[in-house]
Amino acid sequence: NAGVTQTPKFRVLKTGQSMTLLCAQDMNHEYMYWYRQDPGMGLRLIHYSVGEGTTAKGEVPDGYNVSRLKKQNFLLGLESAAPSQTSVYFCASSYLQPQNTEAFFGQGTRLTVV
Amino acid sequence: DQQVKQNSPSLSVQEGRISILNCDYTNSMFDYFLWYKKYPAEGPTFLISISSIKDKNEDGRFTVFLNKSAKHLSLHIVPSQPGDSAVYFCAASSPNYKLSFGAGTTVTVRA
Repeated sequence: NAGVTQTPKFRVLKTGQSMTLLCAQDMNHEYMYWYRQDPGMGLRLIHYSVGEGTTAKGEVPDGYNVSRLKKQNFLLGLESAAPSQTSVYFCASSYLQPQNTEAFFGQGTRLTVV
Repeated sequence: DQQVKQNSPSLSVQEGRISILNCDYTNSMFDYFLWYKKYPAEGPTFLISISSIKDKNEDGRFTVFLNKSAKHLSLHIVPSQPGDSAVYFCAASSPNYKLSFGAGTTVTVRA
């Protein structure tokens, strides 16, 4: 069972470059999320989606865009990377609202912006 | 402004003893609380949850206690085992589908 798969696992970007992080889940989950983890800050929600074709802003959406064209995929884009976006990014998905069912996380993408 | 706070960044406990992890929150709209466990180079995995209408939930060695009046919850691990060494995140869910996480507590279980 693949669960939640994130691509790539590591990436180094130069300031101003763009990239897309891909999240794919094979559990037919409705809800998908993108978080970033920084030291001492825990996991902060960037954007989320409650179904195919829908997206919404989380706590720290600036500098990121997302798309959910297919139910199983949730893409996170950085149009012009900045050093402040150096972080570990986690994608998660859940079948129902995450309060009464667990969210499944991918293994993370470690992004460094130089 | 973090709505979920874990004020102890680390905890060291001897194998076989109890581990107690604490979490405080500020948003009274939170209706579910969850604990996630994370090993290095892996994503967080769900551990246990509790509804805001309950004050205790138990699952094997793990028990979560909720004190709504104090906006405080805790996770008890009894007995602690070496495989419990990990980072533990407290999370809270609001009705608009968002999960808010604390900064995490690193637990080290000593043999």
